[in-house]
Amino acid sequence: AQRVTQPEKLLSVFKGAPVELKCNYSYSGSPELFWYVQYSRQRLQLLLRHISRESIKGFTADLNKGETSFHLKKPFAQEEDSAMYYCALVAGGSNYKLTFGKGTLLTVNP
Amino acid sequence: NAGVTQTPKFQVLKTGQSMTLQCAQDMNHNSMYWYRQDPGMGLRLIYYSASEGTTDKGEVPNGYNVSRLNKREFSLRLESAAPSQTSVYFCASSYAPPGYNSPLHFGNGTRLTVT
Repeated sequence: AQRVTQPEKLLSVFKGAPVELKCNYSYSGSPELFWYVQYSRQRLQLLLRHISRESIKGFTADLNKGETSFHLKKPFAQEEDSAMYYCALVAGGSNYKLTFGKGTLLTVNP
Repeated sequence: NAGVTQTPKFQVLKTGQSMTLQCAQDMNHNSMYWYRQDPGMGLRLIYYSASEGTTDKGEVPNGYNVSRLNKREFSLRLESAAPSQTSVYFCASSYAPPGYNSPLHFGNGTRLTVT
């Protein structure tokens, strides 16, 4: 069974500080991993996916298969980054069951 | 282009009552999903529909039924509501399986309270 663990329910940092939201997964195959974000009063939306190896809004995430982790990082947090962040996993191939972690609420203080 | 539209936004039910949550998308997506979001639990998949005419159980299907009415619409029905079904329900859609460069697009959610 696939599982996603986000160990921190709440994370608070100051503006300009680095931020790292942790995500660990459990899956025996080769998963696809994503970060979704929900800003206040907005819809849940995709932030980035590991296979794209992209940087979105200054955030990056690297898949570490050895540590089964997919941590989300940003070197300098901004107040507008305050949101709920969900790590999500789907088994590779034609699989529709996207499994979400419990989420981390990030607060960036001025 | 409204994206994914859910109705109603809020609903209060008494135990044992039934209701249907409606969801429609205008993005010509093939796949649709119902998730529930509970405090401390994240989002859990209830049912999904890979394509028109098909539905499959997700992680927490008990107490729910779904209907993929056509390509645009995917409804979720609670036949006999229970307090444990108090939650925020999200509908989502995607063009292809999530892993195929096909992100899920979410609706605004329906906040359901069962007393």
